[in-house]
Amino acid sequence: GDSVTQMEGPVTLSEEAFLTINCTYTATGYPSLFWYVQYPGEGLQLLLKATKADDKGSNKGFEATYRKETTSFHLEKGSVQVSDSAVYFCALSDMNTGNQFYFGTGTSLTVIP
Amino acid sequence: DAGVIQSPRHEVTEMGQEVTLRCKPISGHDYLFWYRQTMMRGLELLIYFNNNVPIDDSGMPEDRFSAKMPNASFSTLKIQPSEPRDSAVYFCASSPDRTEAFFGQGTRLTVV
Repeated sequence: GDSVTQMEGPVTLSEEAFLTINCTYTATGYPSLFWYVQYPGEGLQLLLKATKADDKGSNKGFEATYRKETTSFHLEKGSVQVSDSAVYFCALSDMNTGNQFYFGTGTSLTVIP
Repeated sequence: DAGVIQSPRHEVTEMGQEVTLRCKPISGHDYLFWYRQTMMRGLELLIYFNNNVPIDDSGMPEDRFSAKMPNASFSTLKIQPSEPRDSAVYFCASSPDRTEAFFGQGTRLTVV
């Protein structure tokens, strides 16, 4: 069945460091891929998305490219800020499995000044 | 639109009591999802609806859990009787299609 595997955390970085959070997926069809962010005490918010192979999603300095050949959707940011401290979830939605959203386990990021 | 609205934000109840969580999805969204989030198991899909009809409830832990969607603007998740292991944050999300899921702020349930 469909699933998402993402990098274990927690991740701690210094401000302005480069961030990569790995995400790979398994799907029966051609899913849409997402990164969601959860700040403390809040629900998940969409950070970026990509709906087909080779698409690049981007938002707030974060980027992720839909790589069908490696079934990956790694999240990157060139220079993190303290305000980026949150939990990041990779997710997919596959029309072949009824449009439900499959989430990874989440990766906690802490950015220190 | 105010977004997905969940109530209550916090609920503390005694073991054995009935608990009802409520959700108002975004108007016009055809899909509604209930998730449970814990440290141990992460984010788990419990059940989802399409046009008010339950499509997949395979994630509902056991018969103590039930969910309804009597109309397009309201859904409930009920636990009866509640147990301490049900303590978690419960999220409701709605979606117009597979393009994005919009989450509520969650209900933090504590069963003592």
